[in-house]
Amino acid sequence: GAGVSQSPRYKVAKRGQDVALRCDPISGHVSLFWYQQALGQGPEFLTYFQNEAQLDKSGLPSDRFFAERPEGSVSTLKIQRTQQEDSAVYLCASSLGLAADTQYFGPGTRLTVL
Amino acid sequence: AQSVTQPDIHITVSEGASLELRCNYSYGATPYLFWYVQSPGQGLQLLLKYFSGDTLVQGIKGFEAEFKRSQSSFNLRKPSVHWSDAAEYFCAVAGLTGGGNKLTFGTGTQLKVEL
Repeated sequence: GAGVSQSPRYKVAKRGQDVALRCDPISGHVSLFWYQQALGQGPEFLTYFQNEAQLDKSGLPSDRFFAERPEGSVSTLKIQRTQQEDSAVYLCASSLGLAADTQYFGPGTRLTVL
Repeated sequence: AQSVTQPDIHITVSEGASLELRCNYSYGATPYLFWYVQSPGQGLQLLLKYFSGDTLVQGIKGFEAEFKRSQSSFNLRKPSVHWSDAAEYFCAVAGLTGGGNKLTFGTGTQLKVEL
């Protein structure tokens, strides 16, 4: 079946621009996570949704970062007034929703801020 | 707070040789532990996971890992490495967050396989 998909795969933005990154989770998956992976680092947690409810946004680095999942399926991560330090790969993962469930990752969106 | 340490940034092995990638974790309760592999341009793929029970866990592609509570370790092993195993490997621990299980990753180990 289809896995987690993300679009665009690559995004180049000028400093100060707003960007929107999309995640399509596996159908039926209740939980959705966003992670940020800087070059040479492991992924770092940004935020978590259970259906449409954002239950944890403790990893969002600043108020320029905003995520939503209005219908409990597709999610969008928005970054306002991008800065060079926002350059990273943004990974989306989904799972069935239980604590022990496997998270399935998408291919990521590589964001480069010039 | 939970954390994961992968002491080896790079490892090079010859094809056919055995492999062990080290992972140490810090977590206040019984951990949920994972190993993921990431190939260039690809997403993270789960190799194996440990929740409870048998401390030796079998995964895909011939990988296994052993949970040792006394050493706070969850090392990944493979008896005979194939050239296609060259990739980056991440160890992760899950911590509950409002019902979910956000993952805390180590910094990864880059595996190179010499033919």
